[in-house]
Amino acid sequence: NAGVTQTPKFQVLKTGQSMTLQCAQDMNHNSMYWYRQDPGMGLRLIYYSASEGTTDKGEVPNGYNVSRLNKREFSLRLESAAPSQTSVYFCASSLRTGGNQPQHFGDGTRLSIL
Amino acid sequence: GQQLNQSPQSMFIQEGEDVSMNCTSSSIFNTWLWYKQDPGEGPVLLIALYKAGELTSNGRLTAQFGITRKDSFLNISASIPSDVGIYFCAGQLSGAQKLVFGQGTRLTINP
Repeated sequence: NAGVTQTPKFQVLKTGQSMTLQCAQDMNHNSMYWYRQDPGMGLRLIYYSASEGTTDKGEVPNGYNVSRLNKREFSLRLESAAPSQTSVYFCASSLRTGGNQPQHFGDGTRLSIL
Repeated sequence: GQQLNQSPQSMFIQEGEDVSMNCTSSSIFNTWLWYKQDPGEGPVLLIALYKAGELTSNGRLTAQFGITRKDSFLNISASIPSDVGIYFCAGQLSGAQKLVFGQGTRLTINP
């Protein structure tokens, strides 16, 4: 039982390059999330998908796009990477949003933009 | 936006000591969650709290949902080396679709 799987685990990009981070969950969860983690700032929500077919902006959506490909998969795309997007990115999922449904996290993608 | 103030930001303790950390907010939350993050990994859920006043244990860990619904604390008793990591609190507002995370408490244990 893999839970939440993120690929790749590490990536280095040059400024201006594009990149898609992949996330898949095998827990039959309806809701999925993308966070970024920067030192001293905890986790900040980029985008989320409450259910298949819907996506919404979180706290820091600028410079990112997302696609809820199906119930299992939720990808995050950087169209033109900037050094400020150097961070660790986490995908999470929960049975549904709201209510008593904790989020479960993947192991992260460490992204460096040069 | 909503903010959670988590303290302390870091702790340096001796093995065997007890640990206490807390989160406070100006907003009322319906759910409080405590996560632990080991180096190079994602946060892992430790304890979930759903009712004001609720006190829940998970082994040596105990967490409480504050009676005002604006705070929560996590205690670790008799710390061991594998307790090292970053602990995050997270809160969810009533009907909200999103979690709000604290800044984290980094725990270091001296053997």
